[in-house]
Amino acid sequence: KNQVEQSPQSLIILEGKNCTLQCNYTVSPFSNLRWYKQDTGRGPVSLTIMTFSENTKSNGRYTATLDADTKQSSLHITASQLSDSASYICVVSLTDSWGKLQFGAGTQVVVTP
Amino acid sequence: DGGITQSPKYLFRKEGQNVTLSCEQNLNHDAMYWYRQDPGQGLRLIYYSQIVNDFQKGDIAEGYSVSREKKESFPLTVTSAQKNPTAFYLCASSIVWGTGNEQFFGPGTRLTVL
Repeated sequence: KNQVEQSPQSLIILEGKNCTLQCNYTVSPFSNLRWYKQDTGRGPVSLTIMTFSENTKSNGRYTATLDADTKQSSLHITASQLSDSASYICVVSLTDSWGKLQFGAGTQVVVTP
Repeated sequence: DGGITQSPKYLFRKEGQNVTLSCEQNLNHDAMYWYRQDPGQGLRLIYYSQIVNDFQKGDIAEGYSVSREKKESFPLTVTSAQKNPTAFYLCASSIVWGTGNEQFFGPGTRLTVL
């Protein structure tokens, strides 16, 4: 069973609207949590990285939040653009698995005009 | 222009053939990784290398082999022993081994078995 679950699997939003993606994880002990953006047919690109002591991290129109107590993270996209169409992947790293990462399956976002 | 390059972008293999995927980085990173991506699943680690001339099996190493003879190169061979090799393969690197270090990904190679 995947220890990093993302929801929804996919979503369609209108250009200019906001959306929020969810990530729940069960891995423990936890070191840091990252969000990546992956365009179709390309490699993932890092958006944010948060340690367990951080609650929020922003990168332009992308804002990630983390609740280490409930083991939940979210990625909020503000004023979506067509270029935001991509898969967004939540990645968790373990303190006792040095160097190895646990990847979620991703949320596919489609922004329509 | 620094980064990670992978070649070829698309690769077709007949059953029973071995194929080698190239990964090169000019970021001067010590650690390199190979992942496999299948639809609806998270990336899975095939092999990793913490430093030149060293590599370790990941979670799904069966049917794959690697070498790390140069710091900048980490080729992956998909052997005929890999029963379901059709997938998107991603190479990554980080400055050193460790979960606190960001992994930078290449553009990927899509392998299809005919």
